[in-house]
Amino acid sequence: DVKVTQSSRYLVKRTGEKVFLECVQDMDHENMFWYRQDPGLGLRLIYFSYDVKMKEKGDIPEGYSVSREKKERFSLILESASTNQTSMYLCASSSAGNYGYTFGSGTRLTVV
Amino acid sequence: AQSVTQLDSQVPVFEEAPVELRCNYSSSVSVYLFWYVQYPNQGLQLLLKYLSGSTLVESINGFEAEFNKSQTSFHLRKPSVHISDTAEYFCAVSESDAGGSEKLVFGKGTKLTVNP
Repeated sequence: DVKVTQSSRYLVKRTGEKVFLECVQDMDHENMFWYRQDPGLGLRLIYFSYDVKMKEKGDIPEGYSVSREKKERFSLILESASTNQTSMYLCASSSAGNYGYTFGSGTRLTVV
Repeated sequence: AQSVTQLDSQVPVFEEAPVELRCNYSSSVSVYLFWYVQYPNQGLQLLLKYLSGSTLVESINGFEAEFNKSQTSFHLRKPSVHISDTAEYFCAVSESDAGGSEKLVFGKGTKLTVNP
């Protein structure tokens, strides 16, 4: 069964910590995406990547960075976590030209 | 830039009643349109999509959506809902000719609650 795996389901971190959220897909997809989901705001795109070592900013990249060293793995990095980054983070992937995203189950991050 | 408006944040209905979840989009170019569903404590799943061809698209579990270019709408309908359809539904749009940009812009979601 093809899937997108996010390493943690729930995460609690302290303000100022550097936080890594990991996402791995086993479908050989070219495209990978990081969204955050907040009640009443829907999904907002943070960063995306169309290829290894390639990244593009989404709509809300401030306070975040990403890394894609291998095709199957796309990491989201919170350089210095803040309470306003408490949210559900969703990773997704798609094959080039397909437009059908496959989502992971999400990581609920709480920053205290 | 594209945008998506889901007109209802919450829709309560009774089991076996029909339902329509409304979605309007804004774009200056041709678009692809999608509906995703999110069940409690899960990620999003693709429900159906319109890329080209027939403007009426269907899912395997009885939902359908119709692309209306003149109204810039892509409303989701089901003639008879089940308790198991309780979930949050997201409409999304992507430019169809974006030079490789395949990112989706999502609406804020509609919570469908089906009551017995």
